[in-house]
Amino acid sequence: DAKTTQPNSMESNEEEPVHLPCNHSTISGTDYIHWYRQLPSQGPEYVIHGLTSNVNNRMASLAIAEDRKSSTLILHRATLRDAAVYYCILRGNTDKLIFGTGTRLQVFP
Amino acid sequence: DSGVTQTPKHLITATGQRVTLRCSPRSGDLSVYWYQQSLDQGLQFLIQYYNGEERAKGNILERFSAQQFPDLHSELNLSSLELGDSALYFCASSVGATSGVNTQYFGPGTRLTVL
Repeated sequence: DAKTTQPNSMESNEEEPVHLPCNHSTISGTDYIHWYRQLPSQGPEYVIHGLTSNVNNRMASLAIAEDRKSSTLILHRATLRDAAVYYCILRGNTDKLIFGTGTRLQVFP
Repeated sequence: DSGVTQTPKHLITATGQRVTLRCSPRSGDLSVYWYQQSLDQGLQFLIQYYNGEERAKGNILERFSAQQFPDLHSELNLSSLELGDSALYFCASSVGATSGVNTQYFGPGTRLTVL
């Protein structure tokens, strides 16, 4: 499984945009880029996924580099409830999720 | 609320004992996954079942086993427990299997403490 690299931690102020980066230089052509997050004391939850094009949903946006070797999860206006560990995961034709160490996002009021 | 339920919420037991963790997937989901989250290993995939059949195996110890029943609920059995088995155990479910896009929905987890 291809690996991802994320910063250990990031900080943001409430109502500001947050850009969470992920490097995946060994990504293969069929790998989807998934993001999950884990709020304190909860199970992981799906955020967004994409293959080549940028994606938007009600939770976030996913910007994928043209060469697909990196991607950025964008939270348009961070809230205190967005404080969580964010995981960037590559998935080929498999269903198992391989979690790395993720990025711990702190949001300050 | 993801729609995935897990019981019990907490479990405290002694070394050498055996426990069973239970998971009910979301309505309509055929795949069930088990993950272990410990402080030193992070979140690790253990095993996947699809419609009653084992589909994929991860870092699951031989002392651990799982099954998925005809009503699609799943059980994870942990035996000869060791202190190092203390962890959060998550169950997740998805509609299908073997696809790079299936969203997994996670339950609230069972916290196992082995004393």
